[in-house]
Amino acid sequence: AQSVAQPEDQVNVAEGNPLTVKCTYSVSGNPYLFWYVQYPNRGLQFLLKYITGDNLVKGSYGFEAEFNKSQTSFHLKKPSALVSDSALYFCAVSNAGNNRKLIWGLGTSLAVNP
Amino acid sequence: NAGVTQTPKFQVLKTGQSMTLQCAQDMNHNSMYWYRQDPGMGLRLIYYSASEGTTDKGEVPNGYNVSRLNKREFSLRLESAAPSQTSVYFCASRGDYNEQFFGPGTRLTVL
Repeated sequence: AQSVAQPEDQVNVAEGNPLTVKCTYSVSGNPYLFWYVQYPNRGLQFLLKYITGDNLVKGSYGFEAEFNKSQTSFHLKKPSALVSDSALYFCAVSNAGNNRKLIWGLGTSLAVNP
Repeated sequence: NAGVTQTPKFQVLKTGQSMTLQCAQDMNHNSMYWYRQDPGMGLRLIYYSASEGTTDKGEVPNGYNVSRLNKREFSLRLESAAPSQTSVYFCASRGDYNEQFFGPGTRLTVL
């Protein structure tokens, strides 16, 4: 069965430190991988995606994510966290051959402390 | 270019009342989706529409109906609201590489 796991419910980092939000997945075939951010009382905003090609993908607001096929992971990273990055982050995956629906992780709450 | 719009933003219903949540997108996307978001449960797919004229059930379709009125619009109807349907509802449409674009959400409370 296809699934996405975000092993940490909450991540706390100090402003200026690097941050990582973890995501692992299980999907048959080639994956399409996505990260979304949700600020309080807002809809989800698309951050970045991996479809094919370079394993390191860059997205909005200085975020990047690294696709690791052997570890079936797609961790979200940022070199220097901002207080304004505090939000809920969702990882999602679809199968390249069955691309109508996304499988969603449960989300990770990121708190960046001043 | 408004993206995905939803109305209303907030709604309070009494048990047994009905209502329709409206969604429209201006990106010419074929596929559209309705999700509900509840604390600790992430996003759960209610219904989706792969193209105009087609709809399919998602994970949690019970108590809901949908209409894909045309390519732009996809509505969600609660025929007889229950407290268990208290949630935040999001509409989304799908882009060329499966990325989904979300509306701002409707916060529904059923008393």
